[in-house]
Amino acid sequence: EVQLVQSGAEVKKPGESLKISCEASGYSFTNYWIGWVRQMPGTGLEWVGIIYPRDSDTRYNPSIQGQVTISADKSINTAYLQWSSLKASDTAIYYCTRLYGSCHYWGQGTQVTVSS
Amino acid sequence: DIQMTQSPSSLSAYVGDRVTITCRASQSFSNWLAWYQQKPGKAPKLLIYEASTLESGVPSRFSGSGSGAEFTLTISSLQPDDFATYYCQQYDNFPYTFGQGTKLEIK
Repeated sequence: EVQLVQSGAEVKKPGESLKISCEASGYSFTNYWIGWVRQMPGTGLEWVGIIYPRDSDTRYNPSIQGQVTISADKSINTAYLQWSSLKASDTAIYYCTRLYGSCHYWGQGTQVTVSS
Repeated sequence: DIQMTQSPSSLSAYVGDRVTITCRASQSFSNWLAWYQQKPGKAPKLLIYEASTLESGVPSRFSGSGSGAEFTLTISSLQPDDFATYYCQQYDNFPYTFGQGTKLEIK
């Protein structure tokens, strides 16, 4: 059974760093792109970026590029999304998803709250 | 980026109604179009991919159609479990943009 299990909710202050994770199981991690999608409070879905774990080929949404870093550790079947300096506008739920074109499998979401 | 525009943004309907949601793209592309259902506090759930292919386990009252730059999601007979928000998404070109969503509410 394919599963994507994300790390727990985080509450951070502006300027702090953060790394959230998405652990995959039930399939060959290196054969599928993993993506990150954010959902800001009360709004719709927006792509952050995607990564191909086999070679770490990474693509970012141009509107978000430079604000986050996506990475993957294929030895432990885990993808990451990280910030070096959080802003209040990063407050959102972040979902990881396995892509095969469309997104057939999703993690449960990680709530990130940035507030002073 | 390919912009995706859904209509309507919200919709009220009765159980048993037939409902259609439309998604228009800012440019034409191959049928790399998916529809998702999202309920409050939950991750999106894939319903339809490649514009018209029903995901395994999804009830047959859901169907997708369209091509080029206009696509539709139809629910043939609304059930209580169908009241949710629906999103279209193109995956022809990254960033794989979503529509803004259609909130389907009980009348």
